[in-house]
Amino acid sequence: QQQVKQSPQSLIVQKGGISIINCAYENTAFDYFPWYQQFPGKGPALLIAIRPDVSEKKEGRFTISFNKSAKQFSLHIMDSQPGDSATYFCAASSHGNTPLVFGKGTRLSVIA
Amino acid sequence: NAGVTQTPKFRVLKTGQSMTLLCAQDMNHEYMYWYRQDPGMGLRLIHYSVGEGTTAKGEVPDGYNVSRLKKQNFLLGLESAAPSQTSVYFCASSYGLAGGLLEQYFGPGTRLTVT
Repeated sequence: QQQVKQSPQSLIVQKGGISIINCAYENTAFDYFPWYQQFPGKGPALLIAIRPDVSEKKEGRFTISFNKSAKQFSLHIMDSQPGDSATYFCAASSHGNTPLVFGKGTRLSVIA
Repeated sequence: NAGVTQTPKFRVLKTGQSMTLLCAQDMNHEYMYWYRQDPGMGLRLIHYSVGEGTTAKGEVPDGYNVSRLKKQNFLLGLESAAPSQTSVYFCASSYGLAGGLLEQYFGPGTRLTVT
């Protein structure tokens, strides 16, 4: 049973556009929601993370929006650039008891 | 600091052969993890360790064994490789399991092909 469902599987965005990746979860015990970014041939790296006590967190062009009642969270990349082309993974964990659970990933391509 | 390193980077095995993947971290992290990444399947946790001498099963543990004899090292073993184990393997480490301590630092990966 997939605990974190991520969509879309792939995404093509024009340079300067907004990229949006969505994740949904069922486990209401989840209390930490990070996003990881992976470039081809590299390991994933933490991009940005949010706790459920806030509805939004912004770091530069990257924003996480969190909807606790809908059990959904999303990553928005403003002014998308070709250098943002990568695979993005959402993840979740609960109360520090278990390791992160990852979504299946979204391959983002930003074209000029 | 080297962070998280993995050896080897590439390996080709024949079905039935065995091998060990080595992961090393120099950040004094307590927690270490082994994942496999397959197209369309995301990152799936194989085994993890919450400290030296301890290991626990993840989502897809069958066919793999692990050992954490030293805090800085986490070994992943394949006793009898199968084509279904063809994958990219990532090791990761973190300070803890809670909140901000949970950030996982990943190694560069090992690409394994089993023929």
